[in-house]
Amino acid sequence: DAGVIQSPRHEVTEMGQEVTLRCKPISGHDYLFWYRQTMMRGLELLIYFNNNVPIDDSGMPEDRFSAKMPNASFSTLKIQPSEPRDSAVYFCASSSYEGGNHEQYFGPGTRLTVT
Amino acid sequence: AQKITQTQPGMFVQEKEAVTLDCTYDTSDPSYGLFWYKQPSSGEMIFLIYQGSYDQQNATEGRYSLNFQKARKSANLVISASQLGDSAMYFCAMRGLNSGGYQKVTFGTGTKLQVIP
Repeated sequence: DAGVIQSPRHEVTEMGQEVTLRCKPISGHDYLFWYRQTMMRGLELLIYFNNNVPIDDSGMPEDRFSAKMPNASFSTLKIQPSEPRDSAVYFCASSSYEGGNHEQYFGPGTRLTVT
Repeated sequence: AQKITQTQPGMFVQEKEAVTLDCTYDTSDPSYGLFWYKQPSSGEMIFLIYQGSYDQQNATEGRYSLNFQKARKSANLVISASQLGDSAMYFCAMRGLNSGGYQKVTFGTGTKLQVIP
């Protein structure tokens, strides 16, 4: 398997622009997670899906952030409008309950810079 | 609420020596899982080891072992025979169930390990 795929790997945008981050989970995994990592706040869980349904979005910072999972093989995280404080590395991870341990496999991350 | 605490922001270890990275947790969930991840300077997150709250034996994966002390709510990572490639950030994480009955994942702040030749 190719692992979790994220695109783009790097994104530089201007404040106010819309940003869309993409994720393809590992085939067969039924959980998908979006995280944000910054020096100040560490690794934060933003939202997670189970079987394409958003389960817990309590970590989403504000209404400017939205996430969708239209099918089992694709998810997006959108920021509209973007702000400089959104600059961070955004990770997507997927897992399966099979085996019971819920080990999460992380993608390589998208480094977002908002100027 | 669940919480993960890693009190060592940075650690040094001599190559070939063993090192213990501390992790304590707090949760009211009867069932939970504890994980360790490694994040090298390249940025990817690499799963190392998992311990379930009901597992009787401490988990081991090659040179990694998890010293699970449930009564003390600690889940320390032990790396034996350190190698230069072990230099990285190490994150402790917990999976539990939140008040809504849904999975909740919390990461610690990490420990930066540097292996000295």
